[in-house]
Amino acid sequence: AQKVTQAQTEISVVEKEDVTLDCVYETRDTTYYLFWYKQPPSGELVFLIRRNSFDEQNEISGRYSWNFQKSTSSFNFTITASQVVDSAVYFCALSEPGGYQKVTFGIGTKLQVIP
Amino acid sequence: SAVISQKPSRDICQRGTSLTIQCQVDSQVTMMFWYRQQPGQSLTLIATANQGSEATYESGFVIDKFPISRPNLTFSTLTVSNMSPEDSSIYLCSVLTGTAPYEQYFGPGTRLTVT
Repeated sequence: AQKVTQAQTEISVVEKEDVTLDCVYETRDTTYYLFWYKQPPSGELVFLIRRNSFDEQNEISGRYSWNFQKSTSSFNFTITASQVVDSAVYFCALSEPGGYQKVTFGIGTKLQVIP
Repeated sequence: SAVISQKPSRDICQRGTSLTIQCQVDSQVTMMFWYRQQPGQSLTLIATANQGSEATYESGFVIDKFPISRPNLTFSTLTVSNMSPEDSSIYLCSVLTGTAPYEQYFGPGTRLTVT
């Protein structure tokens, strides 16, 4: 069975600090996708990134970066120079291959950026 | 891409009543899903809405409690039947577009409170 663990339930940082959100996953599949979603207080889910299990290159998008390490089954997310607008719940997720992608979500990490 | 709308955006309902949530997509999609997010919790897949056939329910969810319709490739409804306070959640419609690896999109959600 697939499982996604986000051990940090809540994190508070001061604006402009860097913060890393941890994600550890379990799957028996050799092919899978990993995701990060942002859920601001308004409630909608915002897609941030999808990573194929065969692509272990780290990715940077502006202040966001992702570190995928297959050897440790981790897909960590770092926000550099955090801003108040980054305050949200962040979900890591894992999808199984096949005809459709059933997605398993982690419990989420609530990030609060203090001005 | 896909733009998803849901109606209603929020509702307060009395115990024992039923509520039907609508999900409309701006383009034809193959896969549509319904998720639930209980307060402070992660997202849990309720079912896959199949066009022209009965929905496929995940463990712990049954058709009598969450009947789903999908009359065409752009529309689906989820009914929460005989509601209790435990049904208070955000209900999200989700779709997959394109070909593998699919793009996944979420609707804005319906925030349901049962009193």
